[in-house]
Amino acid sequence: AQKITQTQPGMFVQEKEAVTLDCTYDTSDPSYGLFWYKQPSSGEMIFLIYQGSYDQQNATEGRYSLNFQKARKSANLVISASQLGDSAMYFCAMRERDTGRRALTFGSGTRLQVQP
Amino acid sequence: EAGVTQFPSHSVIEKGQTVTLRCDPISGHDNLYWYRRVMGKEIKFLLHFVKESKQDESGMPNNRFLAERTGGTYSTLKVQPAELEDSGVYFCASSQGPGMKEGPRVQYFGPGTRLLVL
Repeated sequence: AQKITQTQPGMFVQEKEAVTLDCTYDTSDPSYGLFWYKQPSSGEMIFLIYQGSYDQQNATEGRYSLNFQKARKSANLVISASQLGDSAMYFCAMRERDTGRRALTFGSGTRLQVQP
Repeated sequence: EAGVTQFPSHSVIEKGQTVTLRCDPISGHDNLYWYRRVMGKEIKFLLHFVKESKQDESGMPNNRFLAERTGGTYSTLKVQPAELEDSGVYFCASSQGPGMKEGPRVQYFGPGTRLLVL
């Protein structure tokens, strides 16, 4: 069974600094996708970035990048130049491809607080 | 383009009552998903529709939960009768259909319905 682990329940970062949110996963499926979502206090889940298991390069989207280490089964989210608006819950999620199931499996989330 | 919308945003009901949650996916999205997060736990998958058909309902907790997607557009999730442990946030998400180029098929989430069963 697939599993996502986010070991940091809460993180603090100073504005303008970079922060790394950890995510490790476990799956026996050789083909899978990894997603990060942001959930601000308003409650909506916002898609941030995606990494496919066969992608050769780490994904980047603006200030977000994904540090994908396949052998270690980790997919850490890096936010550069943190802004106050980055304060939110962040969820790592995975979807296996070969099973045909499209359900996402989520981690427990990390609450990030950006301090001025 | 409008995102995924959910109604109501909040619902407070008593144990034993019935509640119906509604989700309107992004226009043109064939795939519709329901998830929920109960207090202190992870977001869990409930079920997946492709158009009007239930593709995967392996996450539905029991037969008190009934999901429908008549006509392949909006979906409803009915809880009858509601129990205390059903309290939580119910999310709906949608993604593009199989006609699109294979890719991440990102699931776009709605704002959720916060359900409190007293």
